[in-house]
Amino acid sequence: DSGVTQTPKHLITATGQRVTLRCSPRSGDLSVYWYQQSLDQGLQFLIQYYNGEERAKGNILERFSAQQFPDLHSELNLSSLELGDSALYFCASSVSRGASGANVLTFGAGSRLTVL
Amino acid sequence: QKEVEQDPGPLSVPEGAIVSLNCTYSNSAFQYFMWYRQYSRKGPELLMYTYSSGNKEDGRFTAQVDKSSKYISLFIRDSQPSDSATYLCAMSDNYGQNFVFGPGTRLSVLP
Repeated sequence: DSGVTQTPKHLITATGQRVTLRCSPRSGDLSVYWYQQSLDQGLQFLIQYYNGEERAKGNILERFSAQQFPDLHSELNLSSLELGDSALYFCASSVSRGASGANVLTFGAGSRLTVL
Repeated sequence: QKEVEQDPGPLSVPEGAIVSLNCTYSNSAFQYFMWYRQYSRKGPELLMYTYSSGNKEDGRFTAQVDKSSKYISLFIRDSQPSDSATYLCAMSDNYGQNFVFGPGTRLSVLP
């Protein structure tokens, strides 16, 4: 168990629908990152939040949105779903390592979304 | 040119072989270098983490960073079938916020 919790683990829905994926970061981590990984593809960075504020945005579609709440959990909302949105969605939180202040990412187990 | 390049493989080796996995990058601002292992349909897990140039060893794994060549490597000694996974290199800048991942190399260790 990495300490990053993602729900649901699996989700099957239809085109045009809307879903919400939830992430609870490791205790004490302030940053949450969202990644999309399609079948046999690399990790595509979607968006980062730090302590409730959007910090960086990657290749996130306008149909997708996210937020981080005061308790630091985050939600990724995917709307008007298309077949091509079927993928694994990972949440990661960042951990400080040593005096350098460097961060590494700790990933959750992912949410597998299937759009039919 | 992509920011991080990595041979996607697949790479197949016999059990006990030494495996070399590599990434090249273009952004000289990267200071932190990581290797993640990802089993099929699972979340990536951190294997090794290094700062700036140099080597770091952890059991059967050795990470090398050559910033002058913008080249990083992960060596796996005495490879085991359980090492079969996709290996992702990742790097970030000095603020440790901007993470960039390579596409991953799929490794199969055959018994």
